[in-house]
Amino acid sequence: AQSVSQHNHHVILSEAASLELGCNYSYGGTVNLFWYVQYPGQHLQLLLKYFSGDPLVKGIKGFEAEFIKSKFSFNLRKPSVQWSDTAEYFCAVSSGGYNKLIFGAGTRLAVHP
Amino acid sequence: DAGITQSPRHKVTETGTPVTLRCHQTENHRYMYWYRQDPGHGLRLIHYSYGVKDTDKGEVSDGYSVSRSKTEDFLLTLESATSSQTSVYFCAIKGWQTQETQYFGPGTRLLVL
Repeated sequence: AQSVSQHNHHVILSEAASLELGCNYSYGGTVNLFWYVQYPGQHLQLLLKYFSGDPLVKGIKGFEAEFIKSKFSFNLRKPSVQWSDTAEYFCAVSSGGYNKLIFGAGTRLAVHP
Repeated sequence: DAGITQSPRHKVTETGTPVTLRCHQTENHRYMYWYRQDPGHGLRLIHYSYGVKDTDKGEVSDGYSVSRSKTEDFLLTLESATSSQTSVYFCAIKGWQTQETQYFGPGTRLLVL
């Protein structure tokens, strides 16, 4: 069965620090990869996605992610975080015709001013 | 917000009572999904639908049933609620193409006493 691992459950950063959140998945076939963000009290919003093509994808709010097929990884990065980036971040994988999403456990990011 | 609404948004119920959650979309999307979100588990798929009256089980379907009699509505029923079903329930929709993103509704917070 597919699974998604997010290595960091809680991350605390100061504003302007750089961010990298790890995500690894276990599936050998073709996958679609996603990062979603959930701000406090809100629903999930799509940050970025990878279906094919350039493995470096750019999303909203200055986030980017790199798909490394050989490492089964899709890490999320942002060069300089802001207090407003405080949220929970979920990596997700889908495959197959029904595109069912498998989520990681999430990473809670707290950014201090 | 991708034309998805969920009702009710909050519900408190007692163990053993039936509960039905509704997801309504205005986008005429083919695919609809129900997930539950629990701390430490991310989101897990309960059931999904790929058309009117076409549904299938997800990862955590025990104790849940679904129905989709119209394109726009996807109902999730807890036949006899248990405390382990206390959770936040999210509906998601996806369009007809394979490489499309799932968009999430605002969620329903359910407490089973």
